[in-house]
Amino acid sequence: DAGVTQSPTHLIKTRGQHVTLRCSPISGHKSVSWYQQVLGQGPQFIFQYYEKEERGRGNFPDRFSARQFPNYSSELNVNALLLGDSALYLCASSLVAGAPATNEKLFFGSGTQLSVL
Amino acid sequence: AQSVTQPDIHITVSEGASLELRCNYSYGATPYLFWYVQSPGQGLQLLLKYFSGDTLVQGIKGFEAEFKRSQSSFNLRKPSVHWSDAAEYFCAVVTLVQGAQKLVFGQGTRLTINP
Repeated sequence: DAGVTQSPTHLIKTRGQHVTLRCSPISGHKSVSWYQQVLGQGPQFIFQYYEKEERGRGNFPDRFSARQFPNYSSELNVNALLLGDSALYLCASSLVAGAPATNEKLFFGSGTQLSVL
Repeated sequence: AQSVTQPDIHITVSEGASLELRCNYSYGATPYLFWYVQSPGQGLQLLLKYFSGDTLVQGIKGFEAEFKRSQSSFNLRKPSVHWSDAAEYFCAVVTLVQGAQKLVFGQGTRLTINP
C-alpha cells in the first residue's frame, strides 16, 4: 500500500509569490495534518483537517490556508511568501482525528522542501 | 503550555556503544509522549510512545524509553547502536488545540555514529 505522498518534493519560489503544496493520505485515512519544519528545529503544527473540516490551527498567520477534498487529499496554500517560510512541509494522515493520542498511528510523508529566495 | 526540551543538539557515539537521548517535558497531567526518528530526506517514523501503564516502553529497532514522572523525563535508550541509527531524533508530546490533537516537538537531537 502507498504511504502518505506529497508533491512536489522540492520547490523554489521568490518572495511575494504564492505556493500550493499537495498531500495524498493513506487510503482510508480521513484526517490530514500539516507541519512546518524549519532547518534545525522540530516540526510545528499548522493545520488539521478531518472529513473536510478544519479541526485545529496552529500559530501561523492568515497567509497560510488549507483545504481537504472529498477524496481526503489536502492542499496547503501560502500567500505572499517570506524568506522565513523556507522549510520542509510535512503532511501526516491518520484514520481518525484523535490520533496520535489514541492507538491509531500518525503516518508522515517525506515532505515538500520549499525554498524562498 | 505543554512543551518538550531536548538538551542535546548533537550526539556522537561509536558503533556498538550504548545510547541515551534526553527529553524533558512540561505538562500538568500525565502526558502522551512520543519518540520519532527522521532520516535525511525522509518523513518522521514513530519509534515508540507512552500513554500510561508500564513506565518502560519498548519500541521498534531495539529502542526503549523510560517515563520518569519525578524527573519529568522520557529518555530514549539503545544498548548497542548501529551505523544505520544515524539520524535526527525528536521527542514529542500531544496537546489539544481547538479540539484537535497536535504534536509539540522538541528541537531534535542529531545522532552521528563513528565507525
